[in-house]
Amino acid sequence: EVQLVESGGVVVQPGGSLRLSCAASGFTFDDYTMHWVRQAPGKGLEWVSLISWDGGSTYYADSVKGRFTISRDNSKNSLYLQMNSLRTEDTALYYCAKDKTGFGYFDYWGQGTLVTVSS
Amino acid sequence: EIVMTQSPATLSVSPGERATLSCRASQSVSSNLAWYQQKPGQAPRLLIYGASTRATGIPARFSGSGSGTEFTLTISSLQSEDFAVYYCQQYNNWLYSFGQGTKLEIK
Repeated sequence: EVQLVESGGVVVQPGGSLRLSCAASGFTFDDYTMHWVRQAPGKGLEWVSLISWDGGSTYYADSVKGRFTISRDNSKNSLYLQMNSLRTEDTALYYCAKDKTGFGYFDYWGQGTLVTVSS
Repeated sequence: EIVMTQSPATLSVSPGERATLSCRASQSVSSNLAWYQQKPGQAPRLLIYGASTRATGIPARFSGSGSGTEFTLTISSLQSEDFAVYYCQQYNNWLYSFGQGTKLEIK
């Protein structure tokens, strides 16, 4: 059974930093592109970032480019999101999602970890 | 950036009836379109990819159609568990984007 379990979400002040983690199991992690998708409270879904199976390619939404860094450790079946210079508009539930085929749609999602940016 | 626009924002339908949800892209995304269902307190669930291919385990009452800029998700006979928010998502290029969602509610 595929499982994605996010962690690391907390309350942080504007300008602060945070690292999210996603532990994957139930599939061959290093075969798949992985993504972070977020959802602000009561709002829709926003794609944040992707990383290729080997970590060689990364892409970011314009709203987080230069502030967030995605990475992975295939030896630990783990995905990460380093978040710097946080803004109040980064407040959201952050989901880790598995790319079904590498084309950019998501067949498995975690339950999310909540990041709140507030003073 | 490709902007995805869903309509209507809220759709009220009675159980057993058909629901038709629309999604429009600001430029062509070919057939690179997925649909997701999200229930309160849950993560999204993949329903359709490639505009019309049902994901594993998705009932046949869900169908997708369209290409280019106009897409439709049809639920042929609504069951109680289908009342949720539905999102479309384009993956034509790596700058992926979602629609704002359609809330399907019980009439």
